[in-house]
Amino acid sequence: AQKITQTQPGMFVQEKEAVTLDCTYDTSDPSYGLFWYKQPSSGEMIFLIYQGSYDQQNATEGRYSLNFQKARKSANLVISASQLGDSAMYFCAMREGAGGSYIPTFGRGTSLIVHP
Amino acid sequence: DAEITQSPRHKITETGRQVTLACHQTWNHNNMFWYRQDLGHGLRLIHYSYGVQDTNKGEVSDGYSVSRSNTEDLPLTLESAASSQTSVYFCASSETGDSEKLFFGSGTQLSVL
Repeated sequence: AQKITQTQPGMFVQEKEAVTLDCTYDTSDPSYGLFWYKQPSSGEMIFLIYQGSYDQQNATEGRYSLNFQKARKSANLVISASQLGDSAMYFCAMREGAGGSYIPTFGRGTSLIVHP
Repeated sequence: DAEITQSPRHKITETGRQVTLACHQTWNHNNMFWYRQDLGHGLRLIHYSYGVQDTNKGEVSDGYSVSRSNTEDLPLTLESAASSQTSVYFCASSETGDSEKLFFGSGTQLSVL
């Protein structure tokens, strides 16, 4: 079974609108972390945001926020006020276990296209 | 500034040849990872290391090997390249700590003909 599931292969959004990219995860470990990375067409992988399993508040980084619903095992990325430069592949990832001895696993990604 | 570099950026080789992809980081991170990226599969883990002399197999390790003789380098070797190993390869590192976010290299596009 996949540990990280991204069900949206592609998403389209109008510039300046908000968009939510879905991510569900599967783990029995009480200690885990969830990440989102962005991969623009240039190919590099860019870290966006992190949420720890014990964090009470949803993580936010500028226009990015992570909607963490622990009971539902979901970690959706919300991008507010989309910009043309947000067009990219977005990957959800998880690390299980305590620091120093974990394996980070990735979902298959969602392609986001922002229309002017 | 600290960084993680991969070389070469592009490589074309023939089936059956041995190929080594280099990964060098100056973050002084203990953790290093090799992934391959293929359309429809996202990033899949090949090998990883938590420190010098430590190496572990990932999800898709068949046909690949790594060695870790120092903190900075984790070279990935394809023992006998196959066309199925045509892919984009990413090296990443992280420090042991709270989030342990990954710092990625720029990737190596490998074509096996």
